[in-house]
Amino acid sequence: QVQLVQSGAEVKKPGSSVKVSCKASGDTFSSYAISWVRQAPGQGLEWMGGIIPVFGTPNYAQKFQDRVTITADKSTSTVYLQLSSLRSEDTAVYYCARAYCSSTTCYSSFDLWGQGTLVTVSA
Amino acid sequence: DIVMTQSPDSLAVSLGERATINCKSSQSILYSSNNKNYLGWYQQKPGQPPKLLINWASTREPGVPDRFSGSGSGTDFTLTISSLQAEDVAVYYCQQYYGTPFTFGGGTKVEIK
Repeated sequence: QVQLVQSGAEVKKPGSSVKVSCKASGDTFSSYAISWVRQAPGQGLEWMGGIIPVFGTPNYAQKFQDRVTITADKSTSTVYLQLSSLRSEDTAVYYCARAYCSSTTCYSSFDLWGQGTLVTVSA
Repeated sequence: DIVMTQSPDSLAVSLGERATINCKSSQSILYSSNNKNYLGWYQQKPGQPPKLLINWASTREPGVPDRFSGSGSGTDFTLTISSLQAEDVAVYYCQQYYGTPFTFGGGTKVEIK
């Protein structure tokens, strides 16, 4: 069964960093891009950035450009999200999500999501 | 950035009745070279990740009941639930994937009247 399995919940201090993982099973890596989408409590969905694992080049939303790093380890089919300089407003559930890549583009909808990782930023 | 505006923020519909959710993009998300609208609709229930219902504005995902339908083109889109069931209570989001940053609408909460 194809799925995206994320790492567990984290509690972090303001100013610190967090690294969340997303492990893909099945043939997800070779034909897909993986994005990170976050959702603050009671709020909507916000795209942070993504990566095409077979190429390794990330694409970040400008809002997070200076604080986010997305990487992929093809050997373990795992994508990572690192967010630095954490503040209370970063408290959210972080989801990884898969988009299919055709021969010409990876711009498609997110057809598979991880279960979510709650990151709590608190002093 | 492409801004996605959904309306209404919430709606209450009787069981078996129609629910209609609107989504407007700040610029056209119709790609002229392939005549596809780069828009998806998602359903999110409490404590769960979003679930893709509709892609390319009107293509239902496998397994999604046919009471869900998507329509529209260019900048104006609609998700219709033709006959609301109890299990359809959720928040619904539209999303554009025409260009990065990919952006979502603010969500529409659907409840039973």
